[in-house]
Amino acid sequence: TQLLEQSPQFLSIQEGENLTVYCNSSSVFSSLQWYRQEPGEGPVLLVTVVTGGEVKKLKRLTFQFGDARKDSSLHITAAQPGDTGLYLCAVSGGTSYGKLTFGQGTILTVHP
Amino acid sequence: GAVVSQHPSWVICKSGTSVKIECRSLDFQATTMFWYRQFPKQSLMLMATSNEGSKATYEQGVEKDKFLINHASLTLSTLTVTSAHPEDSSFYICSAPPVPGTEAFFGQGTRLTVV
Repeated sequence: TQLLEQSPQFLSIQEGENLTVYCNSSSVFSSLQWYRQEPGEGPVLLVTVVTGGEVKKLKRLTFQFGDARKDSSLHITAAQPGDTGLYLCAVSGGTSYGKLTFGQGTILTVHP
Repeated sequence: GAVVSQHPSWVICKSGTSVKIECRSLDFQATTMFWYRQFPKQSLMLMATSNEGSKATYEQGVEKDKFLINHASLTLSTLTVTSAHPEDSSFYICSAPPVPGTEAFFGQGTRLTVV
């Protein structure tokens, strides 16, 4: 059983469209992170959400942490080709903050 | 920001040989580093936690005798894939937190191809 259920797995859209990626779990987390990874590179942290109901914005990206701290979403407004990549949600495990369990990932392709 | 560097970026080796991948923290000391594996179009899976001065902690299902981890210093951890086989071909990524218990930064990854 996957700790983090991420959906959709693949997303192919046209430039200018909006999209939402979901990350769900039956477990409660103290925090959740979103990463973006480009081919051949390591993941880069986009945001960490900590408080239930929290909303964070990063330019055209909006991240939300569920009230119960079991789920999160990433919304991209007016997607651009430069947004293309693999988006990953992750939670830390055990006593080590850096030890991460990732969701399955969402491969986003934005066509010009 | 904290920089984690991996070497090599890619490597091709023959089946049955061993290959070593290095993970260095360039501007901080890391008592703990993490090794992940990623297959094409899939997510990252934690393989092991590398601890400076002590044995690595492996995740369930990861063969410790096949994936040897050595955390020789506070800035270097190595992953050696022994007797590599084509199914070991993957993208290997390390990460390290500048401060224990805080966000870990990722290296750029190493693409291993076993032929």
